[in-house]
Amino acid sequence: NAGVMQNPRHLVRRRGQEARLRCSPMKGHSHVYWYRQLPEEGLKFMVYLQKENIIDESGMPKERFSAEFPKEGPSILRIQQVVRGDSAAYFCASSPEDGTYYYSLGEKLFFGSGTQLSVL
Amino acid sequence: SQQGEEDPQALSIQEGENATMNCSYKTSINNLQWYRQNSGRGLVHLILIRSNEREKHSGRLRVTLDTSKKSSSLLITASRAADTASYFCATGGSEKLVFGKGTKLTVNP
Repeated sequence: NAGVMQNPRHLVRRRGQEARLRCSPMKGHSHVYWYRQLPEEGLKFMVYLQKENIIDESGMPKERFSAEFPKEGPSILRIQQVVRGDSAAYFCASSPEDGTYYYSLGEKLFFGSGTQLSVL
Repeated sequence: SQQGEEDPQALSIQEGENATMNCSYKTSINNLQWYRQNSGRGLVHLILIRSNEREKHSGRLRVTLDTSKKSSSLLITASRAADTASYFCATGGSEKLVFGKGTKLTVNP
């Protein structure tokens, strides 16, 4: 039973290019979460998606960032016209169902190994 | 702003010693969790303690929670080199976990 799969592990982009980060949740999981980790910082919530729906994008920058989780295929975090400040580790997590049903979602949250984005 | 703040930022100990990390938070919580992150990897859930619990054990891990002081501690006993990692506390239910900046633990063989 494979865990949460993210690719690529490392992504290098020049300023102004687009970055596309992929996340395949664990088998049977229908909820995906994206977090960003700046150097020497903790993870910060970006967006929560279910299949074909964005549930909460309150942590997403207003411009250049978008996320989707199509009916088929992985979830994609897309960053347009990248800037040096976008350099960070981007982590995806998945859970089997609506976390609010559980008293403690954290026990149901499984993280991928992350994509390290470097903007030159 | 960060909900959880870990202390110390970095800790270096010898194998076999105990490691204690602290976490303070600002608002009321339903539960608090501790995660480990090995260098360049994702987070692994270690233990969760609910707001009505004061202490919880899992193997070599012991977590305490003091809601009056809004603080928690993680104790790793008889540390091993493999425990070298960053440790984060996290609060918040639902999908929006709020993480602290972490404690970087180095266990020297």
